[in-house]
Amino acid sequence: GAVVSQHPSRVICKSGTSVKIECRSLDFQATTMFWYRQFPKQSLMLMATSNEGSKATYEQGVEKDKFLINHASLTLSTLTVTSAHPEDSSFYICSARDQESSYEQYFGPGTRLTVT
Amino acid sequence: GESVGLHLPTLSVQEGDNSIINCAYSNSASDYFIWYKQESGKGPQFIIDIRSNMDKRQGQRVTVLLNKTVKHLSLQIAATQPGDSAVYFCAENIGRNTPLVFGKGTRLSVIA
Repeated sequence: GAVVSQHPSRVICKSGTSVKIECRSLDFQATTMFWYRQFPKQSLMLMATSNEGSKATYEQGVEKDKFLINHASLTLSTLTVTSAHPEDSSFYICSARDQESSYEQYFGPGTRLTVT
Repeated sequence: GESVGLHLPTLSVQEGDNSIINCAYSNSASDYFIWYKQESGKGPQFIIDIRSNMDKRQGQRVTVLLNKTVKHLSLQIAATQPGDSAVYFCAENIGRNTPLVFGKGTRLSVIA
């Protein structure tokens, strides 16, 4: 149980375009989902917290107009990277918290974004 | 031995030896801690967790030790195997309904 999926697993896009990444909780309902970004040889850095039906809360330094997050249902959150630039190339990982739990977070497999 | 690379420190151990990976966490108010294993190109994989009211917890081949006095967490892996080679992260929760905050990570390299 507690499986989180991400789609796509890897994507290449051209500079200036937008790309959407989906995060789904497959066998549980997630009131809260989190988006992390990981650059090579570095740790996971929290970008934002999204709660179903409300606006996401962004971490300091993360542009909310560039990284659009939508959490329209209890099993789906999306991250859209708008007007992507090469410096946005990174590994994006989502996690979901079961609405029954206050602590456990279940992580997706990650999405490798490459902006050319 | 242990060495510090550009971003991630690396711990090299011989197959069959025990590994100890250390983590200094940041917030004295944190009450829940998790160790994750991450293989290249994959998401973090849960290994073991511990709550702040405990100082030791054991799993299969792994033990987590928590020292709240010095804000230190360690992961011990017994009889390290080549499949244990990965990057290991500690993560902390400051309270209920807050996101996990990740430490810097340590790369474990097992020498066969």
